[in-house]
Amino acid sequence: DAGVIQSPRHEVTEMGQEVTLRCKPISGHDYLFWYRQTMMRGLELLIYFNNNVPIDDSGMPEDRFSAKMPNASFSTLKIQPSEPRDSAVYFCASSLNRGRNEQFFGPGTRLTVL
Amino acid sequence: AQSVAQPEDQVNVAEGNPLTVKCTYSVSGNPYLFWYVQYPNRGLQFLLKYITGDNLVKGSYGFEAEFNKSQTSFHLKKPSALVSDSALYFCAVSHRDNYGQNFVFGPGTRLSVLP
Repeated sequence: DAGVIQSPRHEVTEMGQEVTLRCKPISGHDYLFWYRQTMMRGLELLIYFNNNVPIDDSGMPEDRFSAKMPNASFSTLKIQPSEPRDSAVYFCASSLNRGRNEQFFGPGTRLTVL
Repeated sequence: AQSVAQPEDQVNVAEGNPLTVKCTYSVSGNPYLFWYVQYPNRGLQFLLKYITGDNLVKGSYGFEAEFNKSQTSFHLKKPSALVSDSALYFCAVSHRDNYGQNFVFGPGTRLSVLP
């Protein structure tokens, strides 16, 4: 397996624009996680899915953020409208379960909002 | 309350010396414990985990960690550090609470191995 795939790797956009980040988890993994990493706040869990269903979105910072998982092999994280404070590295991860199995992380998307 | 703590933001060690990166947790029951490493501009990579059994767990790249239930600790160790070990290290704990299975990452510790 190629591991968790994220696209794009880098995104530069202007404030107010819509941003869509994409993730393909490892085949057979039931859980998918979206994280955000910044120097100030460290690694934050935004939302996670189990079998394509959102389970906990309490980490989503604002209504401007939304995430979907239309099928087992694809998820999106959308920011609309984007703001400079959204600049961060966004990671997607997947795992077999949320307990005893480790999470596998993608390479991340570095988002810069000007 | 934070479930997992890494008391040191930064650890510096000379190449060839043993290294320790500390982790303590504060959950009840029998947690699962993990260590991850993040190299610059990369995602987190799994190093090792403790589920049950032997308290000393061996993982990738020569790292090991010791689970100590009485001290609620899971320190990461390596007998001889390499410059290439310089990275950000995260401890994580998985435990069951009133809301189900919870997985929490620590704040991270930056390890610098000096040549």
